[in-house]
Amino acid sequence: SQELEQSPQSLIVQEGKNLTINCTSSKTLYGLYWYKQKYGEGLIFLMMLQKGGEEKSHEKITAKLDEKKQQSSLHITASQPSHAGIYLCGAAPGGTSYGKLTFGQGTILTVHP
Amino acid sequence: SQTIHQWPATLVQPVGSPLSLECTVEGTSNPNLYWYRQAAGRGLQLLFYSVGIGQISSEVPQNLSASRPQDRQFILSSKKLLLSDSGFYLCAWGRGNLAKNIQYFGAGTRLSVL
Repeated sequence: SQELEQSPQSLIVQEGKNLTINCTSSKTLYGLYWYKQKYGEGLIFLMMLQKGGEEKSHEKITAKLDEKKQQSSLHITASQPSHAGIYLCGAAPGGTSYGKLTFGQGTILTVHP
Repeated sequence: SQTIHQWPATLVQPVGSPLSLECTVEGTSNPNLYWYRQAAGRGLQLLFYSVGIGQISSEVPQNLSASRPQDRQFILSSKKLLLSDSGFYLCAWGRGNLAKNIQYFGAGTRLSVL
């Protein structure tokens, strides 16, 4: 089965700093999803990456997919307290998987004002 | 637009009691539906998924069951809760049967079994 490893597990930054979260898959990535979760709440969809080299941005958050390395990175520029939360990557095994997703353990981001 | 509802938001149940969590989706038809559990370790574990009415696939053997009595309704149940059933339960919906399937999540139910 596919496994996703996220690093770091937690991150504390000062407001205004840039940061990067990585997600590495044990198998080929056919679709990589990034979600954000506030504690005790549901997951909010951020971005989906499908092709190697693909890069997408949403406000100050940019995600890239490196197909060869089976890895995705999430970069936040000029972090704000509103960026705080748990970031999770999810991946689908491909084929007729009915979109079943495997998730990483998450990265807890704290942004100090 | 599509919305997904889960209830209750919080539930405290004694060991051995039954469980019923409900999830409904609005604004779409024939969605794929999913139940996940998020334990203290933060990772999400897929419990069940459904591609149509009455069609349920279980991913992990456990004390829970799922049913889909209507197209946009997904129910998670248990006849007798265990302490290990405590956790944060999330329902999600999506479309398609390929890797390109964005899932949208409900607000979750916090279950505490005492």
